[in-house]
Amino acid sequence: NAGVMQNPRHLVRRRGQEARLRCSPMKGHSHVYWYRQLPEEGLKFMVYLQKENIIDESGMPKERFSAEFPKEGPSILRIQQVVRGDSAAYFCASSPGAPDTQYFGPGTRLTVL
Amino acid sequence: QKEVEQDPGPLSVPEGAIVSLNCTYSNSAFQYFMWYRQYSRKGPELLMYTYSSGNKEDGRFTAQVDKSSKYISLFIRDSQPSDSATYLCALGEVVDTGKLIFGQGTTLQVKP
Repeated sequence: NAGVMQNPRHLVRRRGQEARLRCSPMKGHSHVYWYRQLPEEGLKFMVYLQKENIIDESGMPKERFSAEFPKEGPSILRIQQVVRGDSAAYFCASSPGAPDTQYFGPGTRLTVL
Repeated sequence: QKEVEQDPGPLSVPEGAIVSLNCTYSNSAFQYFMWYRQYSRKGPELLMYTYSSGNKEDGRFTAQVDKSSKYISLFIRDSQPSDSATYLCALGEVVDTGKLIFGQGTTLQVKP
């Protein structure tokens, strides 16, 4: 049973470009969470999604960030017009229900030049 | 005040020692508790989870929860160099959406 998959693992963008991060949950999991980990800081919740629905986006910055989990395909975290402060590791987790144990992917490390 | 407090360390112990990692929290609504291990530049790996006060044991790991004191612990027996990592506590509210609130993480080094 494959774990949570994220791609790309590393992403370099210049200021002002767009970043798209993808997450495929574990088989049988329909709940997806995105977290961000800034250097020397803990993981911070961003958004929680189920198929075609955003359930909780209380941790998402108000501008430039969006997330989706379509009926088919992976969940996408999209960052428009990236700035250097967006440089971080972005982790996706999935669970079979909520609340429930969450299993994390390997992360995408975003570097903004 | 942060919702979850965790000493970042670093904590250095000799191989074979018993390690105690702790978190305190302020929100009494937290009802389930997890511990994750994170190696450098990797994703967090679930170690333990529990929903009730008391102890839960799994191999060399014991998770302890004291809801009255808002204090959780992870004990590692017979620590090994391969246990060297950052340990994160994570807390959640049963009636919430399932999002987890993480401690800052404690960096552990086990010296051979």
